[in-house]
Amino acid sequence: GAGVSQSPRYKVAKRGQDVALRCDPISGHVSLFWYQQALGQGPEFLTYFQNEAQLDKSGLPSDRFFAERPEGSVSTLKIQRTQQEDSAVYLCASRLTGVTGELFFGEGSRLTVL
Amino acid sequence: GIQVEQSPPDLILQEGANSTLRCNFSDSVNNLQWFHQNPWGQLINLFYIPSGTKQNGRLSATTVATERYSLLYISSSQTTDSGVYFCAAHSTGNTPLVFGKGTRLSVIA
Repeated sequence: GAGVSQSPRYKVAKRGQDVALRCDPISGHVSLFWYQQALGQGPEFLTYFQNEAQLDKSGLPSDRFFAERPEGSVSTLKIQRTQQEDSAVYLCASRLTGVTGELFFGEGSRLTVL
Repeated sequence: GIQVEQSPPDLILQEGANSTLRCNFSDSVNNLQWFHQNPWGQLINLFYIPSGTKQNGRLSATTVATERYSLLYISSSQTTDSGVYFCAAHSTGNTPLVFGKGTRLSVIA
């Protein structure tokens, strides 16, 4: 597609529910990143894929967070048993190459946990 | 990992004024980008500038990699320039892009 596409744009979950956030990167982009942005803060790294391989998941805040990219294109970020502190905007970004180059972000998925 | 610091944290400008935003980073960089986050939360790419100088309309950026800083210049500011400006950098290999805390710019008419 023309840009990075994320869905849903807005999600309200009750505490304890599971949520799944989807990212469609720019077609042909090898690298895919997930970031979390809390209100008033800069984006913080969660995890990184090169094709289908998850090369870095050091930023995932707990084992309730899980990400996958099984065919090397679309990615899903899953949060199990959501907590109020998970409320944030989740940003997905993609990059053409594996190691360096310009990063392009989607519009984000805003998660509110009640 | 790399540290990214931005200054000033907040800036208020009269429409038509010029401004300079600064980004300091703690390590040599393979990638440095400037973004504008609009009021709807979208991160808009402004510059991909690991070194050198680039210009795009009223905006320009300079990165002096040897001295570990980058500057974003906004000339003849407009109210639509309001928002948060982020600098982000990564050093080597597969390390992720690390963001600064941003500069919140308000341009008033």
